[in-house]
Amino acid sequence: DQQVKQNSPSLSVQEGRISILNCDYTNSMFDYFLWYKKYPAEGPTFLISISSIKDKNEDGRFTVFLNKSAKHLSLHIVPSQPGDSAVYFCAAIWRTSGTYKYIFGTGTRLKVLA
Amino acid sequence: EPEVTQTPSHQVTQMGQEVILRCVPISNHLYFYWYRQILGQKVEFLVSFYNNEISEKSEIFDDQFSVERPDGSNFTLKIRSTKLEDSAMYFCASAKRGVEETQYFGPGTRLLVL
Repeated sequence: DQQVKQNSPSLSVQEGRISILNCDYTNSMFDYFLWYKKYPAEGPTFLISISSIKDKNEDGRFTVFLNKSAKHLSLHIVPSQPGDSAVYFCAAIWRTSGTYKYIFGTGTRLKVLA
Repeated sequence: EPEVTQTPSHQVTQMGQEVILRCVPISNHLYFYWYRQILGQKVEFLVSFYNNEISEKSEIFDDQFSVERPDGSNFTLKIRSTKLEDSAMYFCASAKRGVEETQYFGPGTRLLVL
């Protein structure tokens, strides 16, 4: 089973507060996780990634946390800005037999309120 | 800043017709990808391409699909005989190095099969 789930289809947060986007996965063999942001009528934009051997990666306002025992991934955005309003996708990469599988979640729509 | 471009932005075709979706990746990138997103659903990986050959493809990428890098700059996705269920947004992406490297996405081509 290679599912990647984003159980919250939408999230609203006040400007300046923390946005926490969650992602759960079922395959403990995933090697790498990524977060993408997507605005309407545009392609996804890579935000941040984390290897399965780490539990945290930080880049500016974005921090990704990986809890392998819970098979849970989260993206924290602090402070949230109105321009962060977009759909956020988590994705997981699974290497097997020299090739890889690339699985996306269904997305969470974040709305940052001014 | 270099970007991935895709043409056309919209394509309407009759079922059974062939379509070719075009992409111009970022010039010094070596890895190329196609994804699709059916309306309201998650982004799905179709195929990756490196060193003039397919390196990975998903179950979606059946014999009706093919990719080509005909002239060293364009990267095309051909659907030989379109079906209604091929209606989706198709995204091209490119990366400098392997799968963990940041992928840069194009704006997408919206394909509508009637």
